[in-house]
Amino acid sequence: GENVEQHPSTLSVQEGDSAVIKCTYSDSASNYFPWYKQELGKRPQLIIDIRSNVGEKKDQRIAVTLNKTAKHFSLHITETQPEDSAVYFCAVSVEYGNKLVFGAGTILRVKS
Amino acid sequence: KAGVTQTPRYLIKTRGQQVTLSCSPISGHRSVSWYQQTPGQGLQFLFEYFSETQRNKGNFPGRFSGRQFSNSRSEMNVSTLELGDSALYLCASSSIAGGFDDEQFFGPGTRLTVL
Repeated sequence: GENVEQHPSTLSVQEGDSAVIKCTYSDSASNYFPWYKQELGKRPQLIIDIRSNVGEKKDQRIAVTLNKTAKHFSLHITETQPEDSAVYFCAVSVEYGNKLVFGAGTILRVKS
Repeated sequence: KAGVTQTPRYLIKTRGQQVTLSCSPISGHRSVSWYQQTPGQGLQFLFEYFSETQRNKGNFPGRFSGRQFSNSRSEMNVSTLELGDSALYLCASSSIAGGFDDEQFFGPGTRLTVL
């Protein structure tokens, strides 16, 4: 089955710095790659997603890049703020339908 | 528009019992997916229902089952509970048009504790 590896598992940055989280996947047929943010005790929240027909997508301080050839995609957060502290999950759609396989998550800590 | 709702929010059961969890999707959404979240295994896909039919299934034993009603509300059932079933169970809704690779929006989850 699909395997999604996410790195790093933890990431500490100073407020205002950038943070980058990378995921690799194995199924070359996958076409949809969302990112979720989960704060402690809350539901995962979709923050950005990208489809295989584009290489980059940006939404204010958040951007995602996709390299289908190398089968990896990355989340970029610029000008980090303390409220960005959370667990971030990448996911990959597999098979037909809305089945997502998730990475193990990255704990992001933004120090003020 | 109201978000995804799940009931109950918390549940405590003992080994061997069974449990039923409920999920109401966003109005107009026709797909409901269920995920199990644990510290050790992370987020794992259980199954997806679309228009009352199971469209996808994860690698969970047959003790885990689900169904979807004509109003798109979904239930999942776990029979013969084991200690390892303790987890946060999340449902996600998507698919107005009935396609795939749609944005999925999660509910708040049901925290199940098995004693």
